[in-house]
Amino acid sequence: AQSVSQHNHHVILSEAASLELGCNYSYGGTVNLFWYVQYPGQHLQLLLKYFSGDPLVKGIKGFEAEFIKSKFSFNLRKPSVQWSDTAEYFCAVLSSGSARQLTFGSGTQLTVLP
Amino acid sequence: NAGVTQTPKFRVLKTGQSMTLLCAQDMNHEYMYWYRQDPGMGLRLIHYSVGEGTTAKGEVPDGYNVSRLKKQNFLLGLESAAPSQTSVYFCASSRTGQGASHQPQHFGDGTRLSIL
Repeated sequence: AQSVSQHNHHVILSEAASLELGCNYSYGGTVNLFWYVQYPGQHLQLLLKYFSGDPLVKGIKGFEAEFIKSKFSFNLRKPSVQWSDTAEYFCAVLSSGSARQLTFGSGTQLTVLP
Repeated sequence: NAGVTQTPKFRVLKTGQSMTLLCAQDMNHEYMYWYRQDPGMGLRLIHYSVGEGTTAKGEVPDGYNVSRLKKQNFLLGLESAAPSQTSVYFCASSRTGQGASHQPQHFGDGTRLSIL
């Protein structure tokens, strides 16, 4: 069974600091990868997604993620965070098998201090 | 521009009571999903549906039942609520199961359910 690991449970940064959130998955086949964000009291929203092609994908609000197949990783990055980026971030993987189910990581709570 | 609508938003139940959570989507999506979100565990899939009249089990289906009588609605039922089912429940929908057309899932605002 596939799994997703997000090793940082809570990250605290000051505004303008750079961000990198780790995501590792365990699945040997073709995968589709996603990052979702959940702002306080809101539902999940898609930040960015990778299906194929350029392993560096850009999403909304200045976020980007790099797919490194050899490391089974899909880390999320942002050069300069803002207070409004305070939220919980979830990495998710969709396998290419018949199940077609998203498997979510446990999430990383990001707190940006003004 | 409603998207995915969940009702109710909050509910408190006593152990053993039953209830149904309703999810409605107005995007004509084929696939619908029910997840539960618990601290430190991310989202876990309870049941999903690939079309009207069909349902399938997800990762944590025990204690829940679902029905998809109409394409736009996906109901999640708790026949005999237990404290372990205290959670935030999210419904989602997508145009396909994401394998073919790579459509991301659209989420509802969640239902916060407490079982005493």
